[in-house]
Amino acid sequence: DTGVSQDPRHKITKRGQNVTFRCDPISEHNRLYWYRQTLGQGPEFLTYFQNEAQLEKSRLLSDRFSAERPKGSFSTLEIQRTEQGDSAMYLCASSLWGRFRGQTTIIYNEQFFGPGTRLTVL
Amino acid sequence: QQQVKQSPQSLIVQKGGISIINCAYENTAFDYFPWYQQFPGKGPALLIAIRPDVSEKKEGRFTISFNKSAKQFSLHIMDSQPGDSATYFCAASKPGGFKTIFGAGTRLFVKA
Repeated sequence: DTGVSQDPRHKITKRGQNVTFRCDPISEHNRLYWYRQTLGQGPEFLTYFQNEAQLEKSRLLSDRFSAERPKGSFSTLEIQRTEQGDSAMYLCASSLWGRFRGQTTIIYNEQFFGPGTRLTVL
Repeated sequence: QQQVKQSPQSLIVQKGGISIINCAYENTAFDYFPWYQQFPGKGPALLIAIRPDVSEKKEGRFTISFNKSAKQFSLHIMDSQPGDSATYFCAASKPGGFKTIFGAGTRLFVKA
């Protein structure tokens, strides 16, 4: 399968527990993003990586949230001390981004999304 | 911070009709405008995208119209089919495009 995969697809946890989600991007993609989507809303940006470097974090990403992409391949998103307000769909996306010298084509930020992890905090 | 405003929230169209979804943006630095389609329980899938140097882009039954001066763009789905029933999101990103700003979505239902 060449698409973005996420694991688990569903997670139910009790308030105060820690949870960790995994994302495997499309193999040649150098950028990886995490978004959060609540019911009836569009995805909201959380953070992104270029290779293994985390280059931007949204204000939505409180200190209870941490993301890693240790080898520039898969990524994990951990939420510590979960709260009911953390209940949402967590989406991962990846893209191949770059501007190649000598070429006229600029690859824009076409992001491919995974199926998401649905988190329910009781 | 609603930088991309989408309307309508929901839309019902007869099979074979034209579905039209509109978006307006605020930040003139945006230079990439994709539309995503999302089915229940799935992640968004890129449908079609446009850059501001063109006013229209067509791919099959899907057309984006772009009005740079009005800071508006729209998605037209021609010959709408029941299989098109989904939630559609417009979006925008800046050059270097790390994060994408999404609209709130439009739930489209195509009646058979």
